[in-house]
Amino acid sequence: AQTVTQSQPEMSVQEAETVTLSCTYDTSESDYYLFWYKQPPSRQMILVIRQEAYKQQNATENRFSVNFQKAAKSFSLKISDSQLGDAAMYFCAYRRPNDYKLSFGAGTTVTVRA
Amino acid sequence: AAGVIQSPRHLIKEKRETATLKCYPIPRHDTVYWYQQGPGQDPQFLISFYEKMQSDKGSIPDRFSAQQFSDYHSELNMSSLELGDSALYFCASSLGTGDYGYTFGSGTRLTVV
Repeated sequence: AQTVTQSQPEMSVQEAETVTLSCTYDTSESDYYLFWYKQPPSRQMILVIRQEAYKQQNATENRFSVNFQKAAKSFSLKISDSQLGDAAMYFCAYRRPNDYKLSFGAGTTVTVRA
Repeated sequence: AAGVIQSPRHLIKEKRETATLKCYPIPRHDTVYWYQQGPGQDPQFLISFYEKMQSDKGSIPDRFSAQQFSDYHSELNMSSLELGDSALYFCASSLGTGDYGYTFGSGTRLTVV
């Protein structure tokens, strides 16, 4: 059973505009970790942002922010002021507490139009 | 800053051959993870090691084995290679269980012909 669901296979955004990527997950845990990873054409997996479930405050890293809705089990990523370098596959990932492995969603390909 | 180093970057093997992938974690990181990413797919967890002991196991075929050595580097050994093993293999490292996220290497592209 898929733990993490990304329902948008592809998203396109105009340069300098905002795009939001959706992610939902399934868990019975009350504490866990959520991550967004970026995979550009170079294939390198790059950590974009992380969220600890017990923290109510939404994480922010420069132009990247999340909307974490714990009750809805939703963890969306907002990219503001999109840049050409943001073009990549974005993966949402979940990790149970005291667990080692990450469970990834299927990914969303983001295209940035100049 | 030092990153996770994987070698080789590319590897081409024939069916039924054996391949060995190497991973050198970030200094002081004590946990290493292996993931397999097929074309157009999300990364699938294979196995992890913490302080040189296997800490978790995912969908790793019996034909594959891995270990973490005293210097914390890790090797993934794949035998009796099949066409379906063609994929990108990522290694990642972290402190402990990676509460602050992993750092991934650039991956090894394995092609089985």
